[in-house]
Amino acid sequence: SAVISQKPSRDICQRGTSLTIQCQVDSQVTMMFWYRQQPGQSLTLIATANQGSEATYESGFVIDKFPISRPNLTFSTLTVSNMSPEDSSIYLCSVEGPGTVGSARSGYTFGSGTRLTVV
Amino acid sequence: GQQVMQIPQYQHVQEGEDFTTYCNSSTTLSNIQWYKQRPGGHPVFLIQLVKSGEVKKQKRLTFQFGEAKKNSSLHITATQTTDVGTYFCAGRRAGGTSYGKLTFGQGTILTVHP
Repeated sequence: SAVISQKPSRDICQRGTSLTIQCQVDSQVTMMFWYRQQPGQSLTLIATANQGSEATYESGFVIDKFPISRPNLTFSTLTVSNMSPEDSSIYLCSVEGPGTVGSARSGYTFGSGTRLTVV
Repeated sequence: GQQVMQIPQYQHVQEGEDFTTYCNSSTTLSNIQWYKQRPGGHPVFLIQLVKSGEVKKQKRLTFQFGEAKKNSSLHITATQTTDVGTYFCAGRRAGGTSYGKLTFGQGTILTVHP
């Protein structure tokens, strides 16, 4: 499975500022996914990042708040803009496992996460 | 939209007892995946079930996919303290593209008392 390097691992930020989270994958992948996980909660998909096109955002998430870049097939960034305490959460990037021809793709690999605290 | 419900939310067991978590989808799934997240860690993929009625085992863990492909379960036999963590199911809606998004259940937090 892929190996994902995600950074920063954690940060404490002032409200009104922005934080950019980076994910580097050790192999080329078509799609990268960005999730948010509130403490003790499930994972909520923020957006799907395709190389060479605009990200696809899920309901409740907008590009102005969570701009995403996907400059190549191994890298993506998620920016949390104009942060408020409600943005305090864990942010995770992930990629889908490589399937084999004729079979279902395997599970997702997640980055180690970015624990964001907004004060 | 698609919803994936998972119960129980919490489970406290004594070491050696069995544990089961259940997952139900509002829509038919093409496949379902299970993940484990250790405290302070990130989700780690355990297994994927694709076929109706499929049963898979990984040592003490048994995974089942319902005949209607709308429900699934994870059963751990004789829990150990290393089993502590949150177990998530995640379903992919049937009929979607091969890159259809996963919808995660709420997770079951397992605590094992030695």
